[in-house]
Amino acid sequence: GDSVTQMEGPVTLSEEAFLTINCTYTATGYPSLFWYVQYPGEGLQLLLKATKADDKGSNKGFEATYRKETTSFHLEKGSVQVSDSAVYFCAYMDTGRRALTFGSGTRLQVQP
Amino acid sequence: KAGVTQTPRYLIKTRGQQVTLSCSPISGHRSVSWYQQTPGQGLQFLFEYFSETQRNKGNFPGRFSGRQFSNSRSEMNVSTLELGDSALYLCASSRGWQAGSGYEQYFGPGTRLTVT
Repeated sequence: GDSVTQMEGPVTLSEEAFLTINCTYTATGYPSLFWYVQYPGEGLQLLLKATKADDKGSNKGFEATYRKETTSFHLEKGSVQVSDSAVYFCAYMDTGRRALTFGSGTRLQVQP
Repeated sequence: KAGVTQTPRYLIKTRGQQVTLSCSPISGHRSVSWYQQTPGQGLQFLFEYFSETQRNKGNFPGRFSGRQFSNSRSEMNVSTLELGDSALYLCASSRGWQAGSGYEQYFGPGTRLTVT
């Protein structure tokens, strides 16, 4: 069935390090892809999106490119900050079901 | 523009009771979706409402129900609560499903339900 696979966490980095969180999906058709971030005790915040192949979503220094050939949407940031510590969720929108399917989330811990 | 609001933020109930959670979407958004988040199962889709009609439903028992009002506000109800219903319940709103809308869903802070 349709699914999203994310790399296991936690990912622990030092401040200013480069971040990559891998995400691959299995879905039919051409879903829209998203990254959401969840800070402790809060709901999900939309971080970025891409709606078609080769689109690059970007926001707050984070980027992800929709790679249809590898069915991937990896999240990257060139220099992480302590304030980026959170749980990151990759998701795709199944427009037929009108529902998001989420990965299991990856916890990022950034140390000063 | 105000974000998605959910009330109450925290709730403690006893097994067998029922509970109603409320969600107010972003102004102008007509679609409201509900998700359950637990450590074991992650984020799972419950149902989606658009124009006061349930358009789709996830794989949850009939104890989970919802409705949407003419002002797009939505409520979800869980009857005969079980310990396993303890979770963070998240509401999300979006403009709709027309091509070009982007299909972004914006989430509220959630309601933390604890069943004892």
